[in-house]
Amino acid sequence: SQELEQSPQSLIVQEGKNLTINCTSSKTLYGLYWYKQKYGEGLIFLMMLQKGGEEKSHEKITAKLDEKKQQSSLHITASQPSHAGIYLCGADGQRGSARQLTFGSGTQLTVLP
Amino acid sequence: NAGVTQTPKFQVLKTGQSMTLQCAQDMNHEYMSWYRQDPGMGLRLIHYSVGAGITDQGEVPNGYNVSRSTTEDFPLRLLSAAPSQTSVYFCATRRGAGTQYFGPGTRLLVL
Repeated sequence: SQELEQSPQSLIVQEGKNLTINCTSSKTLYGLYWYKQKYGEGLIFLMMLQKGGEEKSHEKITAKLDEKKQQSSLHITASQPSHAGIYLCGADGQRGSARQLTFGSGTQLTVLP
Repeated sequence: NAGVTQTPKFQVLKTGQSMTLQCAQDMNHEYMSWYRQDPGMGLRLIHYSVGAGITDQGEVPNGYNVSRSTTEDFPLRLLSAAPSQTSVYFCATRRGAGTQYFGPGTRLLVL
């Protein structure tokens, strides 16, 4: 079965600093999803990456997919307290599979004002 | 559209009690699933359904039952609750290989 490893497990940064979260898969990545979760709430979809080399941005968050390394990174520029939460990556294990996603264990982000 | 709804939001059970967690969606998605989230372990798939009348086991199915009689509803049943089932439960839906959408979650405490 596919496993996703996220690093770091937790991250504390000062407001305004840049940061990167990584997600590495044990198998070929066919679709990679990033979600954000605030404490006590559900998961909010951020971005989906499907092709090697693909890069997407939304506001100050950029995600990239490196198919060769079986890895995705999530980069936040000029972090704000509103970015705090748990970031989870999820992946499709098989190309074209409509089965449910496998998830990493999450990265807890704290942004100090 | 309400999206994905879950009830109840919170529940406390005693060991051995049974209960049903409700999940409903109004997006007409064929795929529905249940996950549990525990500290440091991310989300683990319990059961999933690819359409009405079809269900299958995920990674951690023991102690849970599901059924899918309609496209809209996918209840999760705990037949005899155990402390190890204390967790946060999320229901999710998906259309094909598109984005998976999650409900707000149910926090369950088993004493």
